[in-house]
Amino acid sequence: EVQLVESGGGLVQPGGSLRLSCAASGFTFSSYWMHWVRQAPGKGLVWVSRINSDGSSTSYADSVKGRFTISRDNAKNTLYLQMNSLRAEDTAVYYCASATVTTYAFDIWGQGTMVTVSS
Amino acid sequence: SYVLTQPPSVSVAPGQTARITCGGNNIGSKSVHWYQQKPGQAPVLVVYDDSDRPSGIPERFSGSNSGNTATLTISRVEAGDEADYYCQVWDSSSDHYVFGTGTKVTVL
Repeated sequence: EVQLVESGGGLVQPGGSLRLSCAASGFTFSSYWMHWVRQAPGKGLVWVSRINSDGSSTSYADSVKGRFTISRDNAKNTLYLQMNSLRAEDTAVYYCASATVTTYAFDIWGQGTMVTVSS
Repeated sequence: SYVLTQPPSVSVAPGQTARITCGGNNIGSKSVHWYQQKPGQAPVLVVYDDSDRPSGIPERFSGSNSGNTATLTISRVEAGDEADYYCQVWDSSSDHYVFGTGTKVTVL
């Protein structure tokens, strides 16, 4: 079964850090670009970051650039998102997603992990 | 940055056709993808590259894209189609991925 499972979410104070993980199974993880997408409570989807298949190229939304770092370990079939200098507006469900059917669409999604930034 | 605009809501009776628009500057020159999201669930890709369907998505879901508007059409609407729908493109000028504002489809 094709699956993405996120973990690492939780409650963190403003200015704090958190590292999200996304474990992939059921497909050739190392062949595909991967993304993080977030959704604040009651709001729409917002793309956060992407990484290419071998990890040599990354891209970030302006709102997180310089604070978040995306990475992957193809040997462990795992995607990561290191989040530093967290702000209240970073509060959201964070989804990892893969682009397997076409490079620029997200066809496999995890169930999401909630990140709450609050004092 | 590139902006995609969708109507906040669309209402449709069962068995009828729902059309959800996604407006963007010269969006016809981009590949548009559509997602369905039900409450408490992750999004599901229903149309990619303007009009292709992933395996398992019913033929009732179709897409088109021209000029400044892309459209997702849901034919013979069922109660189970009630959800939020988002369009999405890749903006090559910024290497960013952009989602539309989202449309809530209500089945009357």
